Amino acid sequence: SQQGEEDPQALSIQEGENATMNCSYKTSINNLQWYRQNSGRGLVHLILIRSNEREKHSGRLRVTLDTSKKSSSLLITASRAADTASYFCAWRPTGRRALTFGSGTRLQVQP
Amino acid sequence: EPEVTQTPSHQVTQMGQEVILRCVPISNHLYFYWYRQILGQKVEFLVSFYNNEISEKSEIFDDQFSVERPDGSNFTLKIRSTKLEDSAMYFCASTEDWTGYSNQPQHFGDGTRLSIL
Repeated sequence: SQQGEEDPQALSIQEGENATMNCSYKTSINNLQWYRQNSGRGLVHLILIRSNEREKHSGRLRVTLDTSKKSSSLLITASRAADTASYFCAWRPTGRRALTFGSGTRLQVQP
Repeated sequence: EPEVTQTPSHQVTQMGQEVILRCVPISNHLYFYWYRQILGQKVEFLVSFYNNEISEKSEIFDDQFSVERPDGSNFTLKIRSTKLEDSAMYFCASTEDWTGYSNQPQHFGDGTRLSIL
């Protein structure tokens, strides 16, 4: 199976706190991407990290990638109620075009 | 910012009927994809399409599924004889790169919720 896992499955924090979500995968990859999904809506692309990168920042988002451990993490700093959503990692296995998605983390930010 | 658009947003169909889901990818994008998400489950890849041909498909994409680019803008997914287990959210995505292997993100539409009765 090329599936991986995300943890935690659910995370509830207070506004202003940081949220960290982890993703593990099982294959070699070209890149790994993080997406956000508001309830019942589409997938919004947040950030892409290439297999030869270790860390990437975009605004309040920080993504790390450890290809030796086949894992990635997404950190959202100074969270806001509007960050409440499900977050998915998705990786492109080497030699494939399609993305494989993790199981997602449901983030609840309490105002 | 350019968007991937999908219609309809919700489709209700009787089991056994044919359904066509429509997508308009971002205009300069060359690779197109369909994914689905059964309620509460992971997003799963169905098929990718480039230059009027299927370039990759998953085990889910069996003979009851087909894709087509009938004109210069639309990209469709047809399910020939729907089953109850086809009920899911179907997402279209597109990416700019012509190789499909470069590090460009896939941009997703808002999805079509398909309900089979």
